[in-house]
Amino acid sequence: AAGVIQSPRHLIKEKRETATLKCYPIPRHDTVYWYQQGPGQDPQFLISFYEKMQSDKGSIPDRFSAQQFSDYHSELNMSSLELGDSALYFCASSLVGKTEAFFGQGTRLTVV
Amino acid sequence: TQLLEQSPQFLSIQEGENLTVYCNSSSVFSSLQWYRQEPGEGPVLLVTVVTGGEVKKLKRLTFQFGDARKDSSLHITAAQPGDTGLYLCAGSWGEKLTFGTGTRLTIIP
Repeated sequence: AAGVIQSPRHLIKEKRETATLKCYPIPRHDTVYWYQQGPGQDPQFLISFYEKMQSDKGSIPDRFSAQQFSDYHSELNMSSLELGDSALYFCASSLVGKTEAFFGQGTRLTVV
Repeated sequence: TQLLEQSPQFLSIQEGENLTVYCNSSSVFSSLQWYRQEPGEGPVLLVTVVTGGEVKKLKRLTFQFGDARKDSSLHITAAQPGDTGLYLCAGSWGEKLTFGTGTRLTIIP
């Protein structure tokens, strides 16, 4: 069965650079979530989209933005990167009305 | 802000022993999921519980949802080294999934 695809798997950026993370949800899933997980921490909710509209917002910095496109894939744009942005970024998808969310393998972002 | 507290935070036991992990909140969930996460990988869904008092079994894992839908437990029988990992509960409120603080489980062969 198709899973959530994230790209890239690993990304190294310098401080003050920008980064774009991509997420391709499970086919027919209409809701996408983004999470940030620092070392040794549990995933923290950043933002979610349903039918291409932002549906909820968590602890996403103003330097970050995200959107969901017509094909339901989503991109997380991160600007003015800081060392503290180094983390695993997970995308998850679900189908509205269903409570289960399925996660991708994550993008490991390292800011140097 | 809905908070999910998991206990214990760390647990290290011998292979063959039984264990229980707890997930508690002051809020009522619409549903609750349990995930298991390996290092560097995404959380993998184990089970979803929806109804208060619900009990679900997945081989050696037993999941229970509290009657008031504010707490849940995960019981593992005869733990095996392959059970080692980070166990996360997650509560659903609307379209947001909020994770618990996690339990890092190590099974010693």
